[in-house]
Amino acid sequence: DVKVTQSSRYLVKRTGEKVFLECVQDMDHENMFWYRQDPGLGLRLIYFSYDVKMKEKGDIPEGYSVSREKKERFSLILESASTNQTSMYLCASSPDTPYEQYFGPGTRLTVT
Amino acid sequence: QKEVEQNSGPLSVPEGAIASLNCTYSDRVSQSFFWYRQYSGKSPELIMSIYSNGDKEDGRFTAQLNKASQYVSLLIRDSQPSDSATYLCAVRASGTYKYIFGTGTRLKVLA
Repeated sequence: DVKVTQSSRYLVKRTGEKVFLECVQDMDHENMFWYRQDPGLGLRLIYFSYDVKMKEKGDIPEGYSVSREKKERFSLILESASTNQTSMYLCASSPDTPYEQYFGPGTRLTVT
Repeated sequence: QKEVEQNSGPLSVPEGAIASLNCTYSDRVSQSFFWYRQYSGKSPELIMSIYSNGDKEDGRFTAQLNKASQYVSLLIRDSQPSDSATYLCAVRASGTYKYIFGTGTRLKVLA
């Protein structure tokens, strides 16, 4: 079974803090993704990576950065957390083929 | 802007009935289509993928794809209360790593 794990299920941070969210997959997938999910807005892509050290911006990259130093690990960084970044953050991975995307359990981040 | 549209629901069906969930997409070159189930407070779980026109069956689930009409659907036979969840449709366009998700249809199966 594909397993995607995320470092925390729940996280509470203060405005201005630097926040690290980590994601690890154990299926040797080439592609990894970070989404946020908000009520009424659905899943929105923040960044994705199609290879080690390769990354591309998604639809809402502002205020975020990513790092992929190893194939199995993809980190999302909030450089200076703000209250509008309170959300559910979902990591996913997929092979090049077939294209099924598998999600981690999610991190519910609250910024106060 | 490429879009995936779903009726938000809730779609209510009695236990044992067939639930029919629909999704339309705007990008004609889309090649890969997925259905996810998401329980409240949990992450999306892949149910089905479909790549060719026609039907694909897996247990109680059938995915249907019509590329000419840009339409994909999910049928759930013998619906159970445990099927109550939000169902997300996702599309991956050819030549891209990006997936576009619909906002989901909430299904309620009444016991």
